[in-house]
Amino acid sequence: QLQLQESGPGLVRPSETLSLMCTVSGGSITTSSYYWGWIRQSPGKGLEWIATIYYSGHTYYSPALKSRVTVSVDTSKNQVSLELASVTAADTAVYYCARAFGAYYFDFWGQGALVTVSS
Amino acid sequence: QSVLTQPPSVSAAPGQNVIISCSGGSSNVGNDHVSWYQQLPGTAPKLLIYDNNKRSSGIPDRFSGSRSGTSATLGITGLQTGDEADYYCASWDARLSAWVFGGGTRLTVL
Repeated sequence: QLQLQESGPGLVRPSETLSLMCTVSGGSITTSSYYWGWIRQSPGKGLEWIATIYYSGHTYYSPALKSRVTVSVDTSKNQVSLELASVTAADTAVYYCARAFGAYYFDFWGQGALVTVSS
Repeated sequence: QSVLTQPPSVSAAPGQNVIISCSGGSSNVGNDHVSWYQQLPGTAPKLLIYDNNKRSSGIPDRFSGSRSGTSATLGITGLQTGDEADYYCASWDARLSAWVFGGGTRLTVL
């Protein structure tokens, strides 16, 4: 069974860079037709898509976050990473890693990682 | 403001049926491939419906989806207390080249 596990600091200072890792087990991130995405959920709010990446490195970014986001893949470690620069309190959220089948649906999700932006 | 519009909340009694709507535009819902997710309290979202009306593995047939034009619906029959959750629709937006989600609908089973 495919499993996704987010990891990274739970507390980030304002203006610094948020960095998270998603480790995939039970399957390969190089499987054809599957993309890897990051979605976040601010406290009490809905889901917000951040970015999606294919193992080849082809990426799609949310227009609202594009200027601050970088996602990458490490196929040797079966990992996907997320960096969000210049964070503010508004970036406090649970960050989910998820697998997407093309542009059709997200079928596997990680449990999520809470990141709080505070001094 | 979400690109896809859902009612903030719906409620019904156990055993009853409920429909949750999702309204979008020609570049997202109207472009096909709507998916629905269930988020139980304190857990990650879970895929319920994909490609408008296909149930994900292990999802009971009490859950159904449909799409017509730029609107989609999620139907739940025979409501159970365990169905209390937030439900989200999602679609790829071809104009934005971005995934878009609805704002979510909280289902309360009275």
